[in-house]
Amino acid sequence: GAVVSQHPSRVICKSGTSVKIECRSLDFQATTMFWYRQFPKQSLMLMATSNEGSKATYEQGVEKDKFLINHASLTLSTLTVTSAHPEDSSFYICSANKNEKLFFGSGTQLSVL
Amino acid sequence: QKEVEQDPGPLSVPEGAIVSLNCTYSNSAFQYFMWYRQYSRKGPELLMYTYSSGNKEDGRFTAQVDKSSKYISLFIRDSQPSDSATYLCAMSEGAGGFKTIFGAGTRLFVKA
Repeated sequence: GAVVSQHPSRVICKSGTSVKIECRSLDFQATTMFWYRQFPKQSLMLMATSNEGSKATYEQGVEKDKFLINHASLTLSTLTVTSAHPEDSSFYICSANKNEKLFFGSGTQLSVL
Repeated sequence: QKEVEQDPGPLSVPEGAIVSLNCTYSNSAFQYFMWYRQYSRKGPELLMYTYSSGNKEDGRFTAQVDKSSKYISLFIRDSQPSDSATYLCAMSEGAGGFKTIFGAGTRLFVKA
């Protein structure tokens, strides 16, 4: 069964609005979670590493003010896409480490109109 | 040169065929090797997890790692239409998901 839950699975929003995506670890504590972005027919691109109780670590080229990450508890990390624009439309996926293995959420398809 | 190379396919096979999926890599420090299956618009699902060289079998799936050649493979026996998906190889120097590098994924179609 799923060990990582991600919500929502799909969201459509207007340009300029903000969207929050939740990632939860089920039945285990995740001090670290990872956020990825995936374009059609391309691999996963790591955006940031989310650390419980501290600031996220962003990959080069990822705007930390646009992609706000909060990891306030050991089972929940959130990614907020602020002031979304059409170029932010993509598939966003989170993952968490359980027993040294990486498990993924089901992904969120974001469409910005 | 990418750290991990994976043929994007698509690969089309008849039901019941043996499927061979491969990745090559350049970083000799990689120690952990994974294969994920990803259905369209879903998150990747962990299929196989291997440490260092050798073979690992799980049901119809066999993962092989040849560190001397920097080459990993996933074999699927008795392939089924439900195996139709994108298969991603992934590897890292350490455990826990940090600095995991993913291949581009190979699209597989199994025809009934």
